[in-house]
Amino acid sequence: EVQVVESGGGLVQPGGSLRLSCAASGLTFSRGWMNWVRQAPGKGLEWVASIKEDGSEKHYVDSVRGRFTISRDNAKNSLYLQMNSLTAEDTAVYYCASGNFFHYWGQGTLVTVSS
Amino acid sequence: QSVLTQPPSASGTPGQRVIISCSGSSSNIGSYYLSWYQQFPGMAPKFLVYGNNQRPSGVPDRFSGSRSGTSASLTISGLRSEDEADYYCATWDDSLSVWVFGGGTKLTVL
Repeated sequence: EVQVVESGGGLVQPGGSLRLSCAASGLTFSRGWMNWVRQAPGKGLEWVASIKEDGSEKHYVDSVRGRFTISRDNAKNSLYLQMNSLTAEDTAVYYCASGNFFHYWGQGTLVTVSS
Repeated sequence: QSVLTQPPSASGTPGQRVIISCSGSSSNIGSYYLSWYQQFPGMAPKFLVYGNNQRPSGVPDRFSGSRSGTSASLTISGLRSEDEADYYCATWDDSLSVWVFGGGTKLTVL
């Protein structure tokens, strides 16, 4: 059974930083792209970032480029999202999704940016 | 304003067939496989259809996808009350170099 579990969310002040983690099991983690997708309260899904199998290629939505960094550790079957210079607009549930077509999703971790 | 355009709402009665559209352009739907996702309130999205009409194991064949040019659609046949959810389309856009999601369609089963 495939399991994807995010962690690291919480309340952070504007301008602060947070690091999200995603642990995956039951799939060949090293053989697929991994992705972060977020959903602001009451809003639709927004893709945030993706990273290739070997980490050699990364893509970001414009609104986070330069502030967020996606990374992965295939030995630990883990995906990360380092988020810096957070603003209220980054408040959302952040989902980790596996594969080229976002096959498997975690339950999400809530990030709240507020003073 | 989403790059992919979906109707904000759709509805049908049990047993009916409902079609949810997703409109894009040559740089996204016209060039890349589209995927559809189902999301219940308070829950994570679920992968429903991909590659225009491939279903992951466990997804009923009542759900089917199709594409024509720069538009795509999700068809739900034999509508059931448990199909009431939000539905999103998504694909890669090579002019923006980003993944794009539609704004989502809230399906109500009357």
